Amino acid sequence: QVQLKESGPGLVQPSQTLSLTCTVSGFSLTSYNVHWVRQPPGKGLEWMGRMRYNGDTSYNSALKSRLSISRDTSKNQVFLKMNSLQTDDTGTYYCTRDHDSGHYFDYWGQGVMVTVSS
Amino acid sequence: NIVLTQSPATLSVTPGESVSLSCRASQSISTSIHWYQQKSNESPRLLIKYASQSISGIPSRFSGSGSGTDFTLSINRVESEDFSIYYCQQSYSSYTFGAGTKLELK
Repeated sequence: QVQLKESGPGLVQPSQTLSLTCTVSGFSLTSYNVHWVRQPPGKGLEWMGRMRYNGDTSYNSALKSRLSISRDTSKNQVFLKMNSLQTDDTGTYYCTRDHDSGHYFDYWGQGVMVTVSS
Repeated sequence: NIVLTQSPATLSVTPGESVSLSCRASQSISTSIHWYQQKSNESPRLLIKYASQSISGIPSRFSGSGSGTDFTLSINRVESEDFSIYYCQQSYSSYTFGAGTKLELK
């Protein structure tokens, strides 16, 4: 069955770099797009960026200067790196997927909580 | 960037009532709107795709309508499990989410 699972450190110091991994199963990264979406505590959802099935990437313009998304298809993993973290980057980070035949998010990971604090 | 405005922010209802949640886009987006439900401490769940298309496994009391800039998620006879936050998302130009509507018990 389709699964996505985020992993990474729960605590990051201000000004440091966040590194997260999304490990997928039940589908191919060369057929589906994988996205990162985050949610500050008690707030709404924010689209961060996308790894397309063909390896292309796109980013939220508000985060583009700090964000990088990459992948390892042999390991079924998509990676997020975001630098210069501040306290307002605290929140739950989700990976999710869509397909070029329909740009809606049909499966989501459980999310990983990231706290930015010294 | 396309901005989605959801209203109301909070809707207080009793079980059995039928409700409509609104999502308005800052420009025309055809039917490129999708709806999600998020329960407390859970990941979002897809309810409706492309404004009105149903999703397998989602109860039939959930329906969607609209095109252009105005969209509606309707819940026919709210059940206790429906109290949660609902988000709309557009895929017409990049991706953005609305701020959400919280459906709470009156």
